[in-house]
Amino acid sequence: DAGITQSPRHKVTETGTPVTLRCHQTENHRYMYWYRQDPGHGLRLIHYSYGVKDTDKGEVSDGYSVSRSKTEDFLLTLESATSSQTSVYFCAISETDGAGNTIYFGEGSWLTVV
Amino acid sequence: TQLLEQSPQFLSIQEGENLTVYCNSSSVFSSLQWYRQEPGEGPVLLVTVVTGGEVKKLKRLTFQFGDARKDSSLHITAAQPGDTGLYLCAGDTDSNYQLIWGAGTKLIIKP
Repeated sequence: DAGITQSPRHKVTETGTPVTLRCHQTENHRYMYWYRQDPGHGLRLIHYSYGVKDTDKGEVSDGYSVSRSKTEDFLLTLESATSSQTSVYFCAISETDGAGNTIYFGEGSWLTVV
Repeated sequence: TQLLEQSPQFLSIQEGENLTVYCNSSSVFSSLQWYRQEPGEGPVLLVTVVTGGEVKKLKRLTFQFGDARKDSSLHITAAQPGDTGLYLCAGDTDSNYQLIWGAGTKLIIKP
């Protein structure tokens, strides 16, 4: 258990509205990630953070922004939700040991944009 | 662009049968990980392989890393319904703490 909590777990929102998903971790991990998972596409990285106020884009960052004002919280914002952003969103952290970089995931946030 | 191709995408077999899932790339990875994901949950790490040619066993699951560290396989012996899930491979390139993900293999084991 990597101590990752996502909220909300489920949300239905209307097209054009802003939505913020929150990821909270309790173990002071430096690296945090937001992924989306869609059938046929697997896991795709949206944004990641390597420290407080330090973030960078992933492969599918258009339409999304992130913020990290505290080590423990990483927020993902859909600036103006579209139906193509209906997906399952996973927050993750990484740990590095002798075997390399290992990702631990939260339980996911199911977002439906209608 | 680095790709990790996973096959098959979908597999449905009877309980007791054996199966192999493959993960292939043209890129070299410093390590490769296998995850399993059950419906409604996030992926959970099964194993990490690091050395070319390495074989790791987890009960009825056998994981192998290719000699050139470009490919990997997951073999399940005598599959059970509890093995049902989405299996994902991910390669570590030591780049910005990001992994390259395969698209996943959806495995269904029928009783």
